[in-house]
Order: sequence, then structure tokens, then C-alpha cells
Amino acid sequence: EAAVTQSPRSKVAVTGGKVTLSCHQTNNHDYMYWYRQDTGHGLRLIHYSYVADSTEKGDIPDGYKASRPSQENFSLILELASLSQTAVYFCASRDWGGSSYEQYFGPGTRLTVL
Amino acid sequence: AQSVTQPDARVTVSEGASLQLRCKYSYFGTPYLFWYVQYPRQGLQLLLKYYPGDPVVQGVNGFEAEFSKSNSSFHLRKASVHWSDWAVYFCAVSSNYGNEKITFGAGTKLTIKP
Repeated sequence: EAAVTQSPRSKVAVTGGKVTLSCHQTNNHDYMYWYRQDTGHGLRLIHYSYVADSTEKGDIPDGYKASRPSQENFSLILELASLSQTAVYFCASRDWGGSSYEQYFGPGTRLTVL
Repeated sequence: AQSVTQPDARVTVSEGASLQLRCKYSYFGTPYLFWYVQYPRQGLQLLLKYYPGDPVVQGVNGFEAEFSKSNSSFHLRKASVHWSDWAVYFCAVSSNYGNEKITFGAGTKLTIKP
């Protein structure tokens, strides 16, 4: 069974502070993704990565950085958290190649910025 | 650019009744299509996926979906819903290239009446 874990599961941050969300996968997958979920918007892609030490911008990268230090770990960094970044954040992983394009999701991190 | 529209933000059905959740996609070419389910306070789980082939695909828990290229649709169906189907359902589209990201619809929240 594919496994993606996220930490913390919830966090309260202050405006202007730095926040780091972590994701770890044991699937041996090449691709990892960060999404945010807001009511009425579904999931929107922030950053993704297809290999360690490399990240790519998604659809809404502004205000976020990403880091992929190893195949298993992918972090999302908010250098200066803002109220508008209050959301639920999901990490996902996917294998490369073959015929499967399924993404495996973590349980999510609920971030509240005050 | 690819996109997904789920026209119904909320759907309510009685337990035991049939269900159809609508999904319209926009994609140039042949898409890969997915339905994911999100139970309360959990991450997304794959219900079913469509790769080019048989237009009717079977998923878990009695769900099925039908791909229509002429209508650009991928509607989800279930013959008889159970209270445990109470969740949010997301339709998603991806290209058939190796690295591509998945684009999600806004989701349909399904409520089950006893």
C-alpha cells in the first residue's frame, strides 16, 4: 500500500512568520506534488518535483517555495505567511512511466494564519 | 489548457437511491480521467480511472463512470448509495504525457438522506 505522510497535521502561524510543511513518501515514487484546498476551488497545484534537488512551479506558486532534498521528502515553505494562505495543504506522490497516472495523497495539513 | 467543471457543488440523495455526479472536461486530445473521493478530514482516495479504451470503467464500492468524447464528459454513477458514501467527490483530468500534473474540479459534496 502506497504511503504518504505529512507533518504537522495542523498548524497555527502568525502573519509574517515562516512556515514549513513536510511530506514523506515510502512509495519510491519519482513525482511529488503540493496542493492547496480551498472551499469551492478543489485542489490547486503549488509546486511539484520529479527528481531530488529539483522543483517546478505549479499553477499558484507565488508566496511559496519548495524543497526536495531526497526522493522521499518534499517540503513546502512559506517564508512570510499571510492570511490568504490559510487552507488545507495536501502532498501527493506518483510513479513515473508505466500506465498508471494515479496520485497517492497524504492526509493533509490544516494551516491557519492569524 | 486543461480544465474540469463539476456543475453541482452539492447533491443530496436518499439512501438506496441511484446517483449521478456530473463532470465536464476540457482537453485537446485524448485525456486521462479520474474520480477521487475525500471522506471527512481525510486525504483524497482514487475511486476509478479512465485510460483510452472501454468508455465505461468500474471502480471501488460499486461506482462506475462513463467517458464520452462527443460530450466531453466523465459522469460518475452508482446504482444504490449507502450512507458511507457521504463525502466530497472530485473529477480530474491529466494528459497522457509522462510528467503531467492533474487538474481537479471544484468538487461535489454528496449528502445522504436516511
